[in-house]
Amino acid sequence: GESVGLHLPTLSVQEGDNSIINCAYSNSASDYFIWYKQESGKGPQFIIDIRSNMDKRQGQRVTVLLNKTVKHLSLQIAATQPGDSAVYFCAERKSNTGKLIFGQGTTLQVKP
Amino acid sequence: DVKVTQSSRYLVKRTGEKVFLECVQDMDHENMFWYRQDPGLGLRLIYFSYDVKMKEKGDIPEGYSVSREKKERFSLILESASTNQTSMYLCASRQGTVSSGANVLTFGAGSRLTVL
Repeated sequence: GESVGLHLPTLSVQEGDNSIINCAYSNSASDYFIWYKQESGKGPQFIIDIRSNMDKRQGQRVTVLLNKTVKHLSLQIAATQPGDSAVYFCAERKSNTGKLIFGQGTTLQVKP
Repeated sequence: DVKVTQSSRYLVKRTGEKVFLECVQDMDHENMFWYRQDPGLGLRLIYFSYDVKMKEKGDIPEGYSVSREKKERFSLILESASTNQTSMYLCASRQGTVSSGANVLTFGAGSRLTVL
């Protein structure tokens, strides 16, 4: 069946370190993979996306890597800051319907 | 900035009651969505709408219905609330499936529903 999963429910990092949040997906019929960030008390916010024919995309302090061979997606955050503390969701967009299917979420805790 | 407003942040209802969750967006977005968020399960799609008066079932539509009479408003209806519908409900909107913003869902802050 369809599922988008994250490897770890919680990740704790030291402020200033780099963070890597991982996600595994099972459905290959997706044209985009997307990362969202949800801060406490708010709805999720779009961070970055990557088209399925790419393997890397960089944003501001964030990099998304896509490995289609092993169906693995990761979000790298450079120099993690306290404001990065949030729940991070990966999602895949179904190419036929445009639906977004979300993973379970990883809570990133940044220690001062 | 696009705003998605959910009318109630917190609701407490009793089993069997009819519940309306309202969502309004102010940027003329075509698509609107209702998700529920539960610990360990992520966001699961209940219903979505590509345009006015159109609706499509998501992955978990049982026990829910929706209404989209106007482009800016998408309502989620629980005909007879049950305790297993206690959850955080998130509404979202986006421009459309083929636009450059098709991956950017703008979410509301959520409505936390407790069914006793």
